[in-house]
Amino acid sequence: QSALTQPPSASGSPGQSVIISCTGTSSDVGGYNYVSWYQQHPDKAPKLMIYEVSKRPSGVPDRFSGSKSGNTASLTVSGLQAEDEADYYCSSYAGSNNLVFGGGTKLTVL
Amino acid sequence: QVQLVESGGGVVQTGISLRLSCAASGFTFSNYGMHWVRQAPGKGLEWVADIGYDGSNKFYGDSVRGRFTISRDNSKNTLYLQMNSLRAEDTAVFYCARSRYSYGSEGSLDYWGQGTLVTVSS
Repeated sequence: QSALTQPPSASGSPGQSVIISCTGTSSDVGGYNYVSWYQQHPDKAPKLMIYEVSKRPSGVPDRFSGSKSGNTASLTVSGLQAEDEADYYCSSYAGSNNLVFGGGTKLTVL
Repeated sequence: QVQLVESGGGVVQTGISLRLSCAASGFTFSNYGMHWVRQAPGKGLEWVADIGYDGSNKFYGDSVRGRFTISRDNSKNTLYLQMNSLRAEDTAVFYCARSRYSYGSEGSLDYWGQGTLVTVSS
């Protein structure tokens, strides 16, 4: 179970858009439509932002969107706001009843 | 509202056992798969284990398989994690989380507890 690959950091100014990538293999991201994204503020529990690649749970702003191409999934945050500054983690079902997370990306709002 | 409250964490020595609990409320616990996810200090999230809605299916991450056991008591709306042969590298905040699915292995963890800290020292 190798971790998915995310960039350690990303940044953008308020109002801008930022894209965070999550790269896996054909055995996880590329093989299943069970990619999720989580937001975690310091000392808080993670919060589900996107599930099944592109679906948003109730209450998550539509500024957050997800997509997938091949073995890479992406989270796009549009119209950046100060409260979006947080760590973001992707996860994917990896077959054989395994779940794998990415290493996390620290998003900074400049 | 959905609530998950973990308990049972603490400071223990290497080799000792510990059992974590997660009390669920605000939803029909017996309908959902449940997970344990951990986060070492300053590190990322690591999947630990999951269990199906009825307890019949249990799966583990490579680093804990054979040492940890996940279980649930649907009559008590409680999830458990029995941790044996603890190692220093098990030091982490342990979160319980609900899956959107009945069996749950696919992930999509829509509610999380606040976490309980387990510190393993030598």
